[in-house]
Amino acid sequence: EAGVAQSPRYKIIEKRQSVAFWCNPISGHATLYWYQQILGQGPKLLIQFQNNGVVDDSQLPKDRFSAERLKGVDSTLKIQPAKLEDSAVYLCASSLRGVHSNEQFFGPGTRLTVL
Amino acid sequence: DQQVKQNSPSLSVQEGRISILNCDYTNSMFDYFLWYKKYPAEGPTFLISISSIKDKNEDGRFTVFLNKSAKHLSLHIVPSQPGDSAVYFCAASRSDTGNQFYFGTGTSLTVIP
Repeated sequence: EAGVAQSPRYKIIEKRQSVAFWCNPISGHATLYWYQQILGQGPKLLIQFQNNGVVDDSQLPKDRFSAERLKGVDSTLKIQPAKLEDSAVYLCASSLRGVHSNEQFFGPGTRLTVL
Repeated sequence: DQQVKQNSPSLSVQEGRISILNCDYTNSMFDYFLWYKKYPAEGPTFLISISSIKDKNEDGRFTVFLNKSAKHLSLHIVPSQPGDSAVYFCAASRSDTGNQFYFGTGTSLTVIP
């Protein structure tokens, strides 16, 4: 079974530029999550989708971050404009359903460096 | 506000000995706890979990203990192997708010051959 795919794996941009990350979850997984992991910290949830609807985006900085999951499969996370403090690893995860369990499968992440 | 805390950033253990990783939480509404393991340049992978109705869960060399009164859980790895060297994250969730995981800051375990 293929895992969660993410691209790009690495991205370096200058502050005030825009960037987009892509995630392809495990086939059949209804729930998709985007996490931000700053160096030395644990992953922090940015947004959770159930199919193509948003379940929780309370920690998403909506003035600069946006995410969509068209057709309830792939998802993109965009930052516009980027700030220095956005430097982090952005992790995508998916699960079969949204109830709490051990079912979140993580992708390898995208490491973003903002200069 | 960090609701899940791992106060030891790193731990070194000899191969064959026991590794004990600790985690504390502040929110008494958490009712499900997990440990994830992360190798460099990879995403976290699930290791073991425990529901708040239990105080112990065992899976091979890995055992998680939960002390609800102390809001503390620990992961025991016996015997430790060099391949266990990784960063271990503790996570917690509550059933009334869906599947959001709150992660600790991680403990880097090094198993010395």
